[in-house]
Amino acid sequence: DQQVKQNSPSLSVQEGRISILNCDYTNSMFDYFLWYKKYPAEGPTFLISISSIKDKNEDGRFTVFLNKSAKHLSLHIVPSQPGDSAVYFCAASPGFQKLVFGTGTRLLVSP
Amino acid sequence: DAGVTQSPTHLIKTRGQHVTLRCSPISGHKSVSWYQQVLGQGPQFIFQYYEKEERGRGNFPDRFSARQFPNYSSELNVNALLLGDSALYLCASSLGHSGANVLTFGAGSRLTVL
Repeated sequence: DQQVKQNSPSLSVQEGRISILNCDYTNSMFDYFLWYKKYPAEGPTFLISISSIKDKNEDGRFTVFLNKSAKHLSLHIVPSQPGDSAVYFCAASPGFQKLVFGTGTRLLVSP
Repeated sequence: DAGVTQSPTHLIKTRGQHVTLRCSPISGHKSVSWYQQVLGQGPQFIFQYYEKEERGRGNFPDRFSARQFPNYSSELNVNALLLGDSALYLCASSLGHSGANVLTFGAGSRLTVL
């Protein structure tokens, strides 16, 4: 039972353009959502998070949008840079630290 | 400041053997969580410990066990290894144990079971 889904296994974007990564969830008890990125041979690194009481959170080039009625969240990266190339995981929490991760989206930003 | 450190980084075991993986959290972090990441999948929650007590357990068999020591370091033990236990095992630490506390992950221990 995949409670957090990332339906796009990969995404290719040109440098300077916007990258949009999508995530859907099924459990309405999730109240905290996070994005992690992962480079090869490293552990996941926290990127940005959003509480279920908000619909947008911004941090520099990264913005996360939450649509609770659609059970959908997205990560926008503007402008995209080659160093952003990594695997991005969406994760959700029901209020404690049992994070439920999606399967990841591999982002490739080309110069 | 050192991040989350895990050992060993790589190991190979045969079916039926036992393995112990170790994790040292960031200094000051009292919560440690363990995740299993199988190739092509996202990390899957195994255990969370806070102040040396188990606070959460994922859907894993009893062959998996863990503990947290007084210095907040942690061990993950897996008995009677199966081929399907081959995975990257990630340890993460945080200050507190609520969902709002960001997890900082180590680089992982890659286990191969032959």
